[in-house]
Amino acid sequence: DAGITQSPRHKVTETGTPVTLRCHQTENHRYMYWYRQDPGHGLRLIHYSYGVKDTDKGEVSDGYSVSRSKTEDFLLTLESATSSQTSVYFCAISGQGDSGNTIYFGEGSWLTVV
Amino acid sequence: AQSVAQPEDQVNVAEGNPLTVKCTYSVSGNPYLFWYVQYPNRGLQFLLKYITGDNLVKGSYGFEAEFNKSQTSFHLKKPSALVSDSALYFCAVRGTSSGNTPLVFGKGTRLSVIA
Repeated sequence: DAGITQSPRHKVTETGTPVTLRCHQTENHRYMYWYRQDPGHGLRLIHYSYGVKDTDKGEVSDGYSVSRSKTEDFLLTLESATSSQTSVYFCAISGQGDSGNTIYFGEGSWLTVV
Repeated sequence: AQSVAQPEDQVNVAEGNPLTVKCTYSVSGNPYLFWYVQYPNRGLQFLLKYITGDNLVKGSYGFEAEFNKSQTSFHLKKPSALVSDSALYFCAVRGTSSGNTPLVFGKGTRLSVIA
């Protein structure tokens, strides 16, 4: 396992409430990513980070924000959850180096918005 | 722009038979190509990758993949399928001119190996 812990692993929340998912890594890797997985869409990138306080948007970033105040932690926040954000969220990490670096995934966080 | 296509949503194969899961890609520059496997209710696990060199790449669990530059393909193969290979498989790509940008994933192919 790649030393990635996601929390919570499962959460049910109500529409309109804020939700924060946490990703913690013990590998000291520079790059961290948040993806969501939905049937028929595969994995889609939400946001990623290339260093402390350095983040960028992915293809499905609307409605999400992220923060990275420490190398080991990358937080994903849904400011006001909607039913369309019901999904499985995966955190991933990769190290410093060239484009051949492998990305390693956490075990996922199942979010249901009711 | 980078993109990956997995043309088959589902592949069925009998146990003991060879299997192929198809992947084609489009990138700027040369590609770095990856295969991942996902078992139910788990994260994605890295299987293998092509960076450079030999077009046939060997990975975990007896899987291999063949890089074909002219056909822009990177098909996943295994000579003899096991029931335990049943899972969801993802192909991913990053262009060598893209720096350390995130991988772009295909939509996945569900492999079902029938005993």
